Amino acid sequence: DGGITQSPKYLFRKEGQNVTLSCEQNLNHDAMYWYRQDPGQGLRLIYYSQIVNDFQKGDIAEGYSVSREKKESFPLTVTSAQKNPTAFYLCASSSLGYNEQFFGPGTRLTVL
Amino acid sequence: AQSVTQPDIHITVSEGASLELRCNYSYGATPYLFWYVQSPGQGLQLLLKYFSGDTLVQGIKGFEAEFKRSQSSFNLRKPSVHWSDAAEYFCAVGAHGTNAGKSTFGDGTTLTVKP
Repeated sequence: DGGITQSPKYLFRKEGQNVTLSCEQNLNHDAMYWYRQDPGQGLRLIYYSQIVNDFQKGDIAEGYSVSREKKESFPLTVTSAQKNPTAFYLCASSSLGYNEQFFGPGTRLTVL
Repeated sequence: AQSVTQPDIHITVSEGASLELRCNYSYGATPYLFWYVQSPGQGLQLLLKYFSGDTLVQGIKGFEAEFKRSQSSFNLRKPSVHWSDAAEYFCAVGAHGTNAGKSTFGDGTTLTVKP
């Protein structure tokens, strides 16, 4: 079955540690996205990529980093510079030219 | 810049009653418009989309939405709500051109269904 997988589903980290969230898709989509979701604030775009080895900052990129070495994969690193990292993180993908996005199940990150 | 406003943060309806969730957008050209639904702790699922043509679009789970250019609106409707429709609903507008694929989401409307 085609789709997007995110792992892990729950992640706990201590303050000052970097952590990487995984996102993989087998939909052959060119574009991939990372969103952060906080209660009452909807989805805020962190980073997006439309092609391998290229990505652009979204609205809240500070404290985050990404890579796009393969079409299928778009991992997100939450660095220690992110002041308030506890949130629900969603990965999505889409075909270029078609804006419909397909979402993964999300990763809930909690900083202890 | 594109933007989306969902005026209602929370709506409560009785099971079997009709539903309308409001969405207003701001975009310079003909927009691509979407409605997504999210169950607690899950990802988003597409309900329906508007690209062009017929302004009344049908989606999954018995939902429909009407694009009204004059009102910059794309309201979601369902004639009879089921308890399983309780979820959070997001309206989104999609970009054209070099940013095609990038969407802007509203803050969402939480739907509660009373038995």
